[in-house]
Amino acid sequence: DIQLTQSPSFLSASVGDRVTITCRASQDISHYLAWYQQKPGRAPKLLIYSASTLQSGVPSRFSGSGSGTAFILTIGALQPEDFATYYCQHLDSYPYTFGQGTKLEIK
Amino acid sequence: EVQLVESGGGLVQPGGSLRLSCAASGFIVSSNYMSWVRQAPGKGLEWVSVIYSGGSTYYADFVKGRFTISRDNSKDTLYLQMNSLRAEDTAVYYCARGKTGDQLEYWGQGTLVTVSS
Repeated sequence: DIQLTQSPSFLSASVGDRVTITCRASQDISHYLAWYQQKPGRAPKLLIYSASTLQSGVPSRFSGSGSGTAFILTIGALQPEDFATYYCQHLDSYPYTFGQGTKLEIK
Repeated sequence: EVQLVESGGGLVQPGGSLRLSCAASGFIVSSNYMSWVRQAPGKGLEWVSVIYSGGSTYYADFVKGRFTISRDNSKDTLYLQMNSLRAEDTAVYYCARGKTGDQLEYWGQGTLVTVSS
């Protein structure tokens, strides 16, 4: 099975900061990666798919990059509503595992 | 408008069974990729199972042989039959609909399953 490792697991930042979250795959998954945002008590929300395609309705301050085994989620100019937990998920082969999550907190 | 509403969660003893339902509206379940994802209390997301429009199914190793995904096309409802439940199956179970690349675009609100004696 393909393992995904996110870093960091916890991130403290301020409104207006630019942050990056990394997701590394245990083997080449091409561009088959998605990013989700989850707020407490809520279902996850799709942000990015195919590594770099922004889901409809998601603000343009979110962007994704990478291919193969290394991927990055970038949030430019953090807004108060962006403080949440972020997960990557690969879609290369079953099982479609998730990363362990990155909790983004307000500094 | 696409909506997914899960039901059927609750408290069950170890070794017991439970069937989760996910009622869909705004689209046809049988024409879409549908998945179950779970989240143990305070933990991360775990992919559980999927059913494709053509009927193919796949499962995570930790539920293979115990859980069965299915759908009722006449009711536009997705199911997850869970047998031989264990304490570690305690989680909120979400159903979700995929986009063309299998990423999960629409999610339900989740239903809590608690396995405990």
